[in-house]
Amino acid sequence: QVQLVESGGGLVKPGGSLRLSCAASGFTFSDHYMSWIRQAPGKGLEWLSYISGSSNTIFHVDSVKGRFTISRDNAKNSLYLQMNSLRTEDTAVYYCVRGQIMGALIFDYWGQGALVTVSS
Amino acid sequence: DIQMTQSPSTLSASVGDRVSITCRASQSISTWLAWYQQKPGKAPKLLIYKTSTLQSGVPSRFSGSASGTEFTLTISSLQPDDFATYYCHQYNSYSTFGPGTKVDVK
Repeated sequence: QVQLVESGGGLVKPGGSLRLSCAASGFTFSDHYMSWIRQAPGKGLEWLSYISGSSNTIFHVDSVKGRFTISRDNAKNSLYLQMNSLRTEDTAVYYCVRGQIMGALIFDYWGQGALVTVSS
Repeated sequence: DIQMTQSPSTLSASVGDRVSITCRASQSISTWLAWYQQKPGKAPKLLIYKTSTLQSGVPSRFSGSASGTEFTLTISSLQPDDFATYYCHQYNSYSTFGPGTKVDVK
């Protein structure tokens, strides 16, 4: 069955960096767009970025552009999010999410989430 | 950017009730709208995509419809497992989620 397992979350000081990883299994990873979506405590969902199966297409929303970088390693069935210059407002649960084959932004499987806390 | 609004923000209902949640897009998104269900401490779950297509395994008491830029999620007979927060999501132009509607016990 499809599984997405995030790791790498934790406590970091403002201005610091963190790298999230997502291990995928149970499907042909390279066939799917993958996204990162976050949810601040008690708040709604915010889509951050996506990457095509071949890594040819990458997009980041303005709130993280220039600070966060999405990447993938299809040989390792892994998705990554490099987060630099972290701010307190980046505190959230970060979800690794699979896009459907026929719809890159239809999010059909989600990981359990990784909590990132940015605080001094 | 496309903005999404949802109403109500909270809905109190009883088991067996017919429940409807409305979502409005700030501009045309064609039929590129999905609905997700989220329970506390859990990841969201895809219920419906392309306005009215039920995701595999989702009970048929869930349905979706649209009129212009107004979209509706309907639960025909609310079950105990349905108390949760529901988010609409447009994917016509990148991705934007609505603010959510919490369905709680009346």
